[in-house]
Amino acid sequence: KAGVTQTPRYLIKTRGQQVTLSCSPISGHRSVSWYQQTPGQGLQFLFEYFSETQRNKGNFPGRFSGRQFSNSRSEMNVSTLELGDSALYLCASSLAAGGGTDTQYFGPGTRLTVL
Amino acid sequence: AQTVTQSQPEMSVQEAETVTLSCTYDTSENNYYLFWYKQPPSRQMILVIRQEAYKQQNATENRFSVNFQKAAKSFSLKISDSQLGDTAMYFCASGGATNKLIFGTGTLLAVQP
Repeated sequence: KAGVTQTPRYLIKTRGQQVTLSCSPISGHRSVSWYQQTPGQGLQFLFEYFSETQRNKGNFPGRFSGRQFSNSRSEMNVSTLELGDSALYLCASSLAAGGGTDTQYFGPGTRLTVL
Repeated sequence: AQTVTQSQPEMSVQEAETVTLSCTYDTSENNYYLFWYKQPPSRQMILVIRQEAYKQQNATENRFSVNFQKAAKSFSLKISDSQLGDTAMYFCASGGATNKLIFGTGTLLAVQP
């Protein structure tokens, strides 16, 4: 079974631009969560989608948005990029809506660099 | 609010020896879960072990086991017979009714030959 895939793996943008990252969950998984990982702030939860609905949102500005499609693939968008948005963006998929009984599988991440 | 604290930024262990990584947490959820994830240099996050808070028995997975002290809000990871492939950043995390995970700051473990 294929794992969680994220595209692109690396991305370089300049301040003020916008970017879209993609995550394809494991086949059959309906939940996708996004995390931002930086040396300064560590791993922080961005949002979670389940069956095309945002179920949970972290403490990030409105420049960060996401969506989920009917095939469970998810995208996240960051508009008006700032230098501080440089990070590794991880997505994780799981079968169901929540609770620790369901294992979350992480993708390899997208490394975003903002110049 | 949920918090997870890992007080050991770095640790080192000799191959074949045992090492324990510490983690404390705080949560307002009644039903919660605790996890240890491993992030090797490839940056791929891998679940090492999971503990349901309502279970008193400590979870074990091969060479990995936890010491879960609910009253003390402590959740340490013991790695037995350490191997070079165990070299990685280890994150403690807590979760509740949703898939949102709160991560600690991580412990960088180096296994020395």
